[in-house]
Amino acid sequence: KQEVTQIPAALSVPEGENLVLNCSFTDSAIYNLQWFRQDPGKGLTSLLLIQSSQREQTSGRLNASLDKSSGRSTLYIAASQPGDSATYLCAFRGHGSSNTGKLIFGQGTTLQVKP
Amino acid sequence: NAGVTQTPKFRVLKTGQSMTLLCAQDMNHEYMYWYRQDPGMGLRLIHYSVGEGTTAKGEVPDGYNVSRLKKQNFLLGLESAAPSQTSVYFCASRSWGRGGRDEQFFGPGTRLTVL
Repeated sequence: KQEVTQIPAALSVPEGENLVLNCSFTDSAIYNLQWFRQDPGKGLTSLLLIQSSQREQTSGRLNASLDKSSGRSTLYIAASQPGDSATYLCAFRGHGSSNTGKLIFGQGTTLQVKP
Repeated sequence: NAGVTQTPKFRVLKTGQSMTLLCAQDMNHEYMYWYRQDPGMGLRLIHYSVGEGTTAKGEVPDGYNVSRLKKQNFLLGLESAAPSQTSVYFCASRSWGRGGRDEQFFGPGTRLTVL
């Protein structure tokens, strides 16, 4: 059974710090991996999508990398701001579900950026 | 463009009562999904649909039924609610097959409490 693990479960940093969130998966047959942001009481907003053929994707201060051989993805947030405070979820899609689109989610990392 | 909407936003049920959650999308997507989110367990797939008139079981389908009579709507039903179904329910639709990005778009969620 595919498992997706996110470490740490919670993180608190001062404003301005660069930080890394980790996501690991057990199935090497990855189709793509998607990073989401979830604000308290809200839905999920897609941040970055990395295809299995890609090594990284960037959007503004966010950079997501993918290492298929080690079964890991990292989300790098540069110069963190209080507005970045949210829960970050990674979601794995394997080749076996490339047609159905089923995602396997990690439990999330809750980030707090202090002013 | 409303994207993915969910009705209702909140609901409290007594054990044994029934209800239907409605998901609507205006992006003409074929694929739609229902997830539940519980503390410490991430999002888990309940049921999904790959097109109008089709449904399939996900990871945790027991106690739920679904229908996709119209392409834009995906309904999730609880015939006899149980306290274990207290959760936040998210609907999503998937963009795929038009040469664009293959990603899922989420609704704002329905917070359900079963007493």
